Amino acid sequence: DTEVTQTPKHLVMGMTNKKSLKCEQHMGHRAMYWYKQKAKKPPELMFVYSYEKLSINESVPSRFSPECPNSSLLNLHLHALQPEDSALYLCASSQGRRGVSYNEQFFGPGTRLTVL
Amino acid sequence: GQQLNQSPQSMFIQEGEDVSMNCTSSSIFNTWLWYKQDPGEGPVLLIALYKAGELTSNGRLTAQFGITRKDSFLNISASIPSDVGIYFCAGDSRNTGKLIFGQGTTLQVKP
Repeated sequence: DTEVTQTPKHLVMGMTNKKSLKCEQHMGHRAMYWYKQKAKKPPELMFVYSYEKLSINESVPSRFSPECPNSSLLNLHLHALQPEDSALYLCASSQGRRGVSYNEQFFGPGTRLTVL
Repeated sequence: GQQLNQSPQSMFIQEGEDVSMNCTSSSIFNTWLWYKQDPGEGPVLLIALYKAGELTSNGRLTAQFGITRKDSFLNISASIPSDVGIYFCAGDSRNTGKLIFGQGTTLQVKP
C-alpha cells in the first residue's frame, strides 16, 4: 500500500462548528505532515509529527489542533475557523529517518475546506 | 528566510515539444524534489535528487541537482496532453523534513 488517504474529500463548515480532518498511511512512515494550500500557490507547511511527537509547528493559530493517535493516523481538529481558512488541506508522510529518505514526502489527495 | 525562485511561471506549448523549468535558491540545499499537481489533487512526487551534479530520469522526465547545490532543473521531453498541471520544485537544507517550495510552473499543452 503506497497511498496516503484523507477524509473527507470536501467539507463545508460554519465559523462556530467543530470538525476534524483525518489522514491515514500504511507505508510504515514515521513522519507525517499537515499543509495548507491556497489556489495556484505552493503548499504551506503547518505541522510536522516525527515518531508520533509534534516536532514542528509553523506558528499556526490555535484554532487548528493536530493530533497523532498512532504512527498511521494524523488528525487535524478545527474550531472557530475564519473564512480565510478556506483552502485545500494536504496530509503527507515520509519515512522520517534523517538523511536520504526523510524528505521524500508523499501527499494525500487533500480535503477541500470551505468556511462560511 | 530561504526562498526558491521557480521559472517560468507558466508555459503554453504544442504537444510533442520539449519543456524545461528550473529553480534557484539563495542558499545551499541538500535535497531537491520535483512534484506535479493536477487540479483538485495532491502533489505527486516525480523525482528526488540528493547529490550535487546528480542527473536522474523518470520516463520522459529528467532532472538535475546543480553543482553549486543552489539550483535544479526539470526537463520534459515530447510533451503530451496529460503533462498539463502545476510543477513544483522543493528543497531542504537541513534534512528536517521542512521543505521549501517554489511558486510553481503551470504547464498547458495544446494537442
